[in-house]
Amino acid sequence: GQNIDQPTEMTATEGAIVQINCTYQTSGFNGLFWYQQHAGEAPTFLSYNVLDGLEEKGRFSSFLSRSKGYSYLLLKELQMKDSASYLCAVMDSNYQLIWGAGTKLIIKP
Amino acid sequence: ETGVTQTPRHLVMGMTNKKSLKCEQHLGHNAMYWYKQSAKKPLELMFVYSLEERVENNSVPSRFSPECPNSSHLFLHLHTLQPEDSALYLCASSPNPPGGADTQYFGPGTRLTVL
Repeated sequence: GQNIDQPTEMTATEGAIVQINCTYQTSGFNGLFWYQQHAGEAPTFLSYNVLDGLEEKGRFSSFLSRSKGYSYLLLKELQMKDSASYLCAVMDSNYQLIWGAGTKLIIKP
Repeated sequence: ETGVTQTPRHLVMGMTNKKSLKCEQHLGHNAMYWYKQSAKKPLELMFVYSLEERVENNSVPSRFSPECPNSSHLFLHLHTLQPEDSALYLCASSPNPPGGADTQYFGPGTRLTVL
């Protein structure tokens, strides 16, 4: 079966750095997405990785290792507004998104 | 503002009621999706429409009935629901028909409670 694993919840301190991991086992691979979802709001697109390596976008970076079936989202200089759920999703060989259950990130002052 | 709107934002209904959820996308996209999001569970894809034709139905119970009158609007008609259908229902759209690595853009969802 297809499976995406990510931690259920993480806590970090304002101004610090946090890394949210995602491991996957899917039928084929056509890219990995990260979305941010604030409580009661729409998931919003953060990043897309299809090749190995690190993609940086401001305070957020996303890393992919296809051979290990592994990705992480790195958030730097954490702000209170970064408190949200972070969803990892993999596009399989049929171009269908397989979703993780999300990681709830709590930022403390 | 993601360009995808959903109404209503909150809905409480009894098991014998009939209601409809509405989604509208203002992005000129050609594919639209319905997802169910339950607490601490992955998003479940329910229906996919491409150019107003249903292309996927992931074994969803018949008490959920989708309708896509045009490429900008998507409805989910609900009837005789069960309490376990209580969830956040998310609509999404993507630029191209399924078959490519397109980003999906989501609406804010309808929080549905079935009593």
